[in-house]
This record gives sequence, structure tokens and C-alpha cells, in this order.
Amino acid sequence: ETGVTQTPRHLVMGMTNKKSLKCEQHLGHNAMYWYKQSAKKPLELMFVYNFKEQTENNSVPSRFSPECPNSSHLFLHLHTLQPEDSALYLCASSLYRGYEQYFGPGTRLTVT
Amino acid sequence: RKEVEQDPGPFNVPEGATVAFNCTYSNSASQSFFWYRQDCRKEPKLLMSVYSSGNEDGRFTAQLNRASQYISLLIRDSKLSDSATYLCVVVYTGTASKLTFGTGTRLQVTL
Repeated sequence: ETGVTQTPRHLVMGMTNKKSLKCEQHLGHNAMYWYKQSAKKPLELMFVYNFKEQTENNSVPSRFSPECPNSSHLFLHLHTLQPEDSALYLCASSLYRGYEQYFGPGTRLTVT
Repeated sequence: RKEVEQDPGPFNVPEGATVAFNCTYSNSASQSFFWYRQDCRKEPKLLMSVYSSGNEDGRFTAQLNRASQYISLLIRDSKLSDSATYLCVVVYTGTASKLTFGTGTRLQVTL
């Protein structure tokens, strides 16, 4: 399936690095989301964008910085991360907020 | 009380068995419900929506009980490939639509 794509699929970065995660949806959706899923833990919603505007930030540390240039693209800029930030980062989109979400394959991030 | 609660399991069932999971929600104004499936180290995938009248898709049946505020998922004739974590999702469309995932129920189907 190529509805929602994410790059890179795997990322290893040091605590002083700066990197970005990219998400693209080809579904014509208007809402996009970032989630974090740590090992054996439930999904944690990080950010919500609706028609390119950020509508939700669930107390995410400032070392995570989202960007949504248009309804099809979503970025997560990372800087000075901590080892506990190692997790699977999932992007999702939905036609409108509150509608069923479709997920990308995720970026597995390891912070060393 | 958590907004959405699921028994984490694991539910260990033999192939061919019927298994059911429940998911309770706290907000009586919730309006939409879904079941997702998540395989180990993969992304969640939409399994089915849950309609007020109940709905079926092959071996899977989803039901909604608004009075008791829970949704259920029934899997008949379990296959090895059904082994996964099943996540329920509850949507509240108030002033700002909010979609909440449960923590998931792990199913392991064995020979």
C-alpha cells in the first residue's frame, strides 16, 4: 500500500544530531497526525494538523518540532534527542478530524 | 476511569476457536467506533468500523452497546494469521473531534 509513506524507515542518531522525519499521504486527506509508540506501550498522540494548521500538541517536548507545509506533507524535525525518545514514530492521515485514520509504516528511531 | 479500556490479554486460543474482545469507553457522547489490527513492529491497520446496528465482515463481527458503553469484536474460526494486537478506537466529535486509541488486546492463535 502506498497511501501514506514515511521516510526514512529506520534512523539512528546521536543526541546532538538534527534530523527530520517525512510523511506524505496520497489519499487526499485533510488531517495528519504524528504518533509515538515505545516498545510494548500504547500509541501516544503527539501532534494533529487539520488543513495545515496545528490543532493539537499533547505536551510534546520542544526537541520535537512539526511542520506541515501542505495537506499532503508532514515533517517532524528532531534535535538534541534523548535515549528515551527511541521509539516507532507513526504518521497517520484522515479525510477529516475524527474520521478513521490510515497509518504509514513508521520510522523506527534509535537515539544513541 | 480511562477514556478507552481494553483487556491487554494475551488471549491464547487454538486455531478454529471463536474469540471475543470488549472495549469500554467513558464518554457517553462518543459517536464513532473502529477496530484496528496491529502486527508486531508494524503500523496499525483499519480492520472495520463499528455501526450502531452491528456489522460483519467475513469471520469478523463488530457490535456496539451504547447503553453499557462498550464495543466488541468477535472472531470466528480463528486463523494463525489473526495473531496480532487489536486496538479499539472511540471518536468524540464535540467542539474538536477527538479520536482515542485503546491500549490494545493481544491475540495469539496456536496450532
